[in-house]
Amino acid sequence: GQQVMQIPQYQHVQEGEDFTTYCNSSTTLSNIQWYKQRPGGHPVFLIQLVKSGEVKKQKRLTFQFGEAKKNSSLHITATQTTDVGTYFCAGLGGSYIPTFGRGTSLIVHP
Amino acid sequence: EPEVTQTPSHQVTQMGQEVILRCVPISNHLYFYWYRQILGQKVEFLVSFYNNEISEKSEIFDDQFSVERPDGSNFTLKIRSTKLEDSAMYFCASKEHVRSSYNSPLHFGNGTRLTVT
Repeated sequence: GQQVMQIPQYQHVQEGEDFTTYCNSSTTLSNIQWYKQRPGGHPVFLIQLVKSGEVKKQKRLTFQFGEAKKNSSLHITATQTTDVGTYFCAGLGGSYIPTFGRGTSLIVHP
Repeated sequence: EPEVTQTPSHQVTQMGQEVILRCVPISNHLYFYWYRQILGQKVEFLVSFYNNEISEKSEIFDDQFSVERPDGSNFTLKIRSTKLEDSAMYFCASKEHVRSSYNSPLHFGNGTRLTVT
């Protein structure tokens, strides 16, 4: 079955530093979604990427979808303490059921 | 903004007991899901439900699990005989539609933390 790998598992940064999490799928995806889960909370949808090579930005967050539609990344510029949480990618294949990666927990030190 | 609501927020049960986790999806959504998350681990798909029947289920969703939509608003997950390893956060999610060109995002509830002792 479809598997989605995500690295790193944890990332500690000083406030103001950049952060990147990477997502790789074992199969070609139809699209990929990103979610954020605050500590003690539930996953909240951030964005969806559909097209090969697509890049989308939300303020300090930049999302990329690879040319082969098998990998994706999320980059945060100049992290803030409000960015703390776990970031999940969720790949969608033919069944359109999101398969979540393990997530990357971002810890921002003030 | 409409929300997915889940009750209870925390359920403690003894091994072997039956539990029912309840969810009210967003009213105009057509697709319903249960996911679970063991503490600190990834969000794992259990089952999807559409048009009053299961559309897909994972290997985790064995015979001890069942889902129901008993009326027009509730969506329940029943675990017949709980095991210690069923302890996890159970998330209900719903989404509006599925199309090849765009997939609606999942809207998650706040979850039910199930503790099996």
